[in-house]
Amino acid sequence: QLQMQESGPGLVKPSETLSLNCRLSGASIRDGTYYWAWIRQAPGKGLKWVGSASSSGNTYYNPSLNGRVTISVDTNKNDFSLSLTAVTAADTAVYYCARRYKFENRHFDLWGRGTLVTVSS
Amino acid sequence: DIQMTQSPPSLSASVGDRVTITCRASQTITRYLNWYQQKPGDAPKLLISGATSLESGVPSRFSGSRSGTDFNLTISSLQPDDFATYYCQQSFISPPTFGGGTKVET
Repeated sequence: QLQMQESGPGLVKPSETLSLNCRLSGASIRDGTYYWAWIRQAPGKGLKWVGSASSSGNTYYNPSLNGRVTISVDTNKNDFSLSLTAVTAADTAVYYCARRYKFENRHFDLWGRGTLVTVSS
Repeated sequence: DIQMTQSPPSLSASVGDRVTITCRASQTITRYLNWYQQKPGDAPKLLISGATSLESGVPSRFSGSRSGTDFNLTISSLQPDDFATYYCQQSFISPPTFGGGTKVET
């Protein structure tokens, strides 16, 4: 079954690093027609793109996150990860992993169910 | 960044109503506008890509249109399953940005 599933700690302390993983099932992450993305949604707020990566190693990040983001793709494990350093309460959000088509309309066509990460001491 | 302004932020409607949600881009994005539906506790679901292309499996009561930098999502006859929040998203220029959402409620 084609699906994506996020995993990782639900609580992170301020100034520490948020680390999440996304496992892809039912398809290969080596598929060169997609980027692998993270999108977040703060409580009661809208959606914000965090960044994307290709299986070949190209990465693209939201400049508003000031260089704190790293996304890595593991083709052997068929998954990809998010690392967000120096977190603050403003990074509290539901984090979604998603698949973004590289061509035509460049849309996000497959999403995980999301995982809530709270930044608090 | 390109700002996407959705209106209204929320609307009240009944089953059978025709519903239209508008999204305005702060600059030209040609046809690179996608629409998503999100229900509480669920991930967003792609409905329409490229302003007008209905995704496979999405009911035909959903449609999208474009006029310049204004985009509409229309539900021709609202069904009980359609009460949700809808987001637009531009994919013309990075970073991809989303509208603030429109909550369709009873």
